[in-house]
Amino acid sequence: QLQLQESGPRLVKTSETLSLTCTVSGGSISSNSYQWGWIRQPPGKGLEWIGSIYYTGRTYDKSSLYYTPSLKSRVTISVSRSTNQFSLRVNSVTAADTAVYFCARHVRSSGEFHFWGQGILVSVSS
Amino acid sequence: QSALTQPASMSGSPGQSITISCTGTSSDIGSYNLVTWYQQHPGQAPKVIIYEVNKRPSGVSDRFSGSKSGNTASLTISGLQAEDEADYHCCSFAGTTTYVLFGGGTKLTVL
Repeated sequence: QLQLQESGPRLVKTSETLSLTCTVSGGSISSNSYQWGWIRQPPGKGLEWIGSIYYTGRTYDKSSLYYTPSLKSRVTISVSRSTNQFSLRVNSVTAADTAVYFCARHVRSSGEFHFWGQGILVSVSS
Repeated sequence: QSALTQPASMSGSPGQSITISCTGTSSDIGSYNLVTWYQQHPGQAPKVIIYEVNKRPSGVSDRFSGSKSGNTASLTISGLQAEDEADYHCCSFAGTTTYVLFGGGTKLTVL
């Protein structure tokens, strides 16, 4: 059974960089049938898709990356085939970036996220 | 692009049916039969209950059904049960620029 697990600092200072890693087990991140994405949920609010990536069979290129327009200037997603992980970086964070961050696998070119991590609450504070 | 629009909250009594709407635009829901509905209980990750507008994953009760008309998708829950009390989120593919959009979520209370 595919499993995903988020890890990283739970507290980040304002204006610094949020960095999270998602470790995938029970399946390969190299499959190009699926995309690997990050979604966040501010406390008491709805879900927001951040971005997704899929492994192209070689070093990933820009064609395999998709970001939500409102965060595109601050977000980087990358993948590591050797460790079966993918990562999220959000630069210049503010209190508005405080949220539960989920990593998930989805069907390519869709919003079908069938496998999710448990989520990690990241708080941004000065 | 704005999030999809859902009612913030709805309620119903056990045994009743309720329908949650999710309104988008001609660039997302109206263009693709790629609407997904998620159920989320407190402290848990979301779970797919409907995909591709009206398909149910294995193991999901047939009390859940989905439909779409124009730019609006709907989730109907029939024979409400206490365990259906949860947050429900709609999601749509939105093309290669915006890509994925979620709704704001609907909190369902079973009275």
